[in-house]
Amino acid sequence: GESVGLHLPTLSVQEGDNSIINCAYSNSASDYFIWYKQESGKGPQFIIDIRSNMDKRQGQRVTVLLNKTVKHLSLQIAATQPGDSAVYFCAEKFGNEKLTFGTGTRLTIIP
Amino acid sequence: DVKVTQSSRYLVKRTGEKVFLECVQDMDHENMFWYRQDPGLGLRLIYFSYDVKMKEKGDIPEGYSVSREKKERFSLILESASTNQTSMYLCASSPRKGTGGRTSGRAAYNEQFFGPGTRLTVL
Repeated sequence: GESVGLHLPTLSVQEGDNSIINCAYSNSASDYFIWYKQESGKGPQFIIDIRSNMDKRQGQRVTVLLNKTVKHLSLQIAATQPGDSAVYFCAEKFGNEKLTFGTGTRLTIIP
Repeated sequence: DVKVTQSSRYLVKRTGEKVFLECVQDMDHENMFWYRQDPGLGLRLIYFSYDVKMKEKGDIPEGYSVSREKKERFSLILESASTNQTSMYLCASSPRKGTGGRTSGRAAYNEQFFGPGTRLTVL
C-alpha cells in the first residue's frame, strides 16, 4: 500500500545552523504535502503545506521543497533555535480530508 | 484561539473494560479525527467523521468504534480494552474544504488542529 516515511529517525543540529528534515512518499497522486511539529507533551501543530504542482514554498524561517521526480519532500529550518527541538512529521493528502502521516524525525538542537 | 480538548491526559484501564475517550472542538469544524500514536509508527488514523452522525473507518479501526452526536464532540470507544491498545490517542479537527469554520484566520483546510492527547494504559 501507499506509505509516507522518513529517512532518519533522529537529527541533531547546532543552534544557529540550518536543519534539513527529509521525507519520502510513495503516492504520486497526493494533492498536498504537509509538515507538522510536535513538541513534548503536545499534539502536532501545522507548520507549512505545499501543493503537488509546486516545487518550493517558504514560510517564516521554514522552506519546504518538493521533488516529484524522486518522490521526496524536505523541510528546511533556518537558524535553528532551542524551540525548534521537536518531532517533525510529514503528511500527505489525497482526495478527501484525511492525512497519511510519516513516522516522524526527532530534531534536537545542541546549544 | 482555536482549541481542541480531550477529556483526560492520562488514563489507566483494565483488560476487558469499556473505555470512552472524549474530544471537543470549539471551532465549528465539520471534520474530526481520531489517531493513535506509537513510537516508530507515527500517527495512524483510527476513525474520522465528516459531519454529525457520519463516520468512516481509517487505517486501523479494529477494536474501536466512534460516536458523533453533536458537531463539536467526537468520542472514541474501546468496547473491550486490550493491552495492545495501550497508546497515545490524539483527536483532531479541521474545516471542510470550501467552508470557513471559526479558526485563527490563517488556517487552510489542510490544517488539522490537534488536542494534547490522552495516554491510555491498559493493564
